[in-house]
Amino acid sequence: EDKVVQSPLSLVVHEGDTVTLNCSYEVTNFRSLLWYKQEKKAPTFLFMLTSSGIEKKSGRLSSILDKKELFSILNITATQTGDSAIYLCAHTGANSKLTFGKGITLSVRP
Amino acid sequence: SQTIHQWPATLVQPVGSPLSLECTVEGTSNPNLYWYRQAAGRGLQLLFYSVGIGQISSEVPQNLSASRPQDRQFILSSKKLLLSDSGFYLCAWVDSSNTEAFFGQGTRLTVV
Repeated sequence: EDKVVQSPLSLVVHEGDTVTLNCSYEVTNFRSLLWYKQEKKAPTFLFMLTSSGIEKKSGRLSSILDKKELFSILNITATQTGDSAIYLCAHTGANSKLTFGKGITLSVRP
Repeated sequence: SQTIHQWPATLVQPVGSPLSLECTVEGTSNPNLYWYRQAAGRGLQLLFYSVGIGQISSEVPQNLSASRPQDRQFILSSKKLLLSDSGFYLCAWVDSSNTEAFFGQGTRLTVV
């Protein structure tokens, strides 16, 4: 059964801290691993990862995939209050099934 | 460019009433379409997905059904709503040549 497990489920940090969000997965016929940020309504896309060991970076956010150990991490450096959100990890697998984890609620305090 | 429309944005319905949420995609053909439900502050639970007209895969047995009458239209329905059907419903599509998902703006359903 396809599965995505995110940890921790919630996290509280102070502005300027660095955070690492974890995502482990089990999937038949892996195609991609996706990260999204959700604030109030629809999730917004952050990264798509398909190859192991290649870091993707966007400003203070970066992500990497390990297809051997079946996990991915999302790093946020110098956190700001605007980073407070739910961070969702998902994978696409067999038959184009798109499965999400339960999300990580990040709270960044001033 | 591709866009996805989902409506209505909010809905308050009495217990036992029917439901129909509609999602349409523009600017692409043969998309993979998905319906998710999200409880407050939690992740996305996959309800149904479709890889083509008339093809529906159900992930969670429940009080809901889905249909895909046209290539770019995906409908979530219920004959009789329950209180437990309340939640935030999201439609998403994935282009057959790309594995990134794009979301509609969501429908917040409250069953009273």
